Amino acid sequence: SQELEQSPQSLIVQEGKNLTINCTSSKTLYGLYWYKQKYGEGLIFLMMLQKGGEEKSHEKITAKLDEKKQQSSLHITASQPSHAGIYLCGADKEDSSNTGKLIFGQGTTLQVKP
Amino acid sequence: KAGVTQTPRYLIKTRGQQVTLSCSPISGHRSVSWYQQTPGQGLQFLFEYFSETQRNKGNFPGRFSGRQFSNSRSEMNVSTLELGDSALYLCASRGTVAKNIQYFGAGTRLSVL
Repeated sequence: SQELEQSPQSLIVQEGKNLTINCTSSKTLYGLYWYKQKYGEGLIFLMMLQKGGEEKSHEKITAKLDEKKQQSSLHITASQPSHAGIYLCGADKEDSSNTGKLIFGQGTTLQVKP
Repeated sequence: KAGVTQTPRYLIKTRGQQVTLSCSPISGHRSVSWYQQTPGQGLQFLFEYFSETQRNKGNFPGRFSGRQFSNSRSEMNVSTLELGDSALYLCASRGTVAKNIQYFGAGTRLSVL
């Protein structure tokens, strides 16, 4: 079955520093979704990537999907305390987006020290 | 537009009881998915409903069931609660079947004592 591995599991950075979170799949990624979660709350959709080599940005967050579509990275530039939370990558089950099912990585907990 | 609404936010039950959780999707969204989130297993898919029909089901025992109403609101039921059912239950809705972008509610925190 498809699995998503996120690294690192946790990250503590000083405010203003850049950081990268990786999401690696055991199989080809057909749809890759990045979410952010505040502890004990719901997930906030950040970005979706589908095509190999695709890159999207939202404010200071950039996500990329590699050419082979088995790894995605999330990069935050000049981190702020508001970026703190749990970042989760999710993926479509195989090559169908019409399942309503996402498989998730275990999450990366980010702390930003002022 | 209002987001996905889940009620109640917190629940405390004892082993053997049953519980019903409610989810109101974003207006116009017809697909509702349910997930269980625990520290040990992470976020796991329970099932998806579309137009009142369950279309997909995750690997959970039959004690976990759900339904969807004609207005797209969905309920999830867990019978004969076990301690291991303590978790954050999240529902998500999506507006198009062309993409799997799901919008999540704040969740229901269930504690089983």
